[in-house]
Amino acid sequence: QKEVEQNSGPLSVPEGAIASLNCTYSDRGSQSFFWYRQYSGKSPELIMFIYSNGDKEDGRFTAQLNKASQYVSLLIRDSQPSDSATYLCAVTGFSKFYFGSGTKLNVKP
Amino acid sequence: EAQVTQNPRYLITVTGKKLTVTCSQNMNHEYMSWYRQDPGLGLRQIYYSMNVEVTDKGDVPEGYKVSRKEKRNFPLILESPSPNQTSLYFCASSAPGTGGVDNEQFFGPGTRLTVL
Repeated sequence: QKEVEQNSGPLSVPEGAIASLNCTYSDRGSQSFFWYRQYSGKSPELIMFIYSNGDKEDGRFTAQLNKASQYVSLLIRDSQPSDSATYLCAVTGFSKFYFGSGTKLNVKP
Repeated sequence: EAQVTQNPRYLITVTGKKLTVTCSQNMNHEYMSWYRQDPGLGLRQIYYSMNVEVTDKGDVPEGYKVSRKEKRNFPLILESPSPNQTSLYFCASSAPGTGGVDNEQFFGPGTRLTVL
């Protein structure tokens, strides 16, 4: 059974739109939640992390966490073609990391 | 420059021939980890290390070994590689978390391994 679930996509949005990426996880004891971006053939790079319920904003990115529903999301406002990548959700519990299989985002000019 | 390095970046080998993939970080991180990435399966943790001489199994440890003799290095050893270990491998490191939360991981560039 997968620990972290993501819709594989591709999710296509026009340039300037809001992209919404979702992730659910199964371990209620999970403490830390991360969103990574991965371009094809490259290593993952951190976009945001969130530890507490609610929203966390950083520039065009907003992470939302709902521990009761075991749900974490990432909103990308004013999407740009350079945002086209695969977005990985990661969930940790006491130093063991679990990644989703990623959602591929295409931002069309 | 703060970084995680891996060598080799690409490797083609044959079944049963022992190999080692090296990983080194210059950020003085205590936590290091190895992942494999396969299409449709995402990143899966193989082994991790909380500190020197402290290692533990991740989700998919079978067929792999690790050692942590120095803080900066965390090699991944495949004693008898098999074709199902063909994958993209990433090493990562991070500062230790506190209060039950973990810090972000910094990833190396990846090693693409093919076992024939």
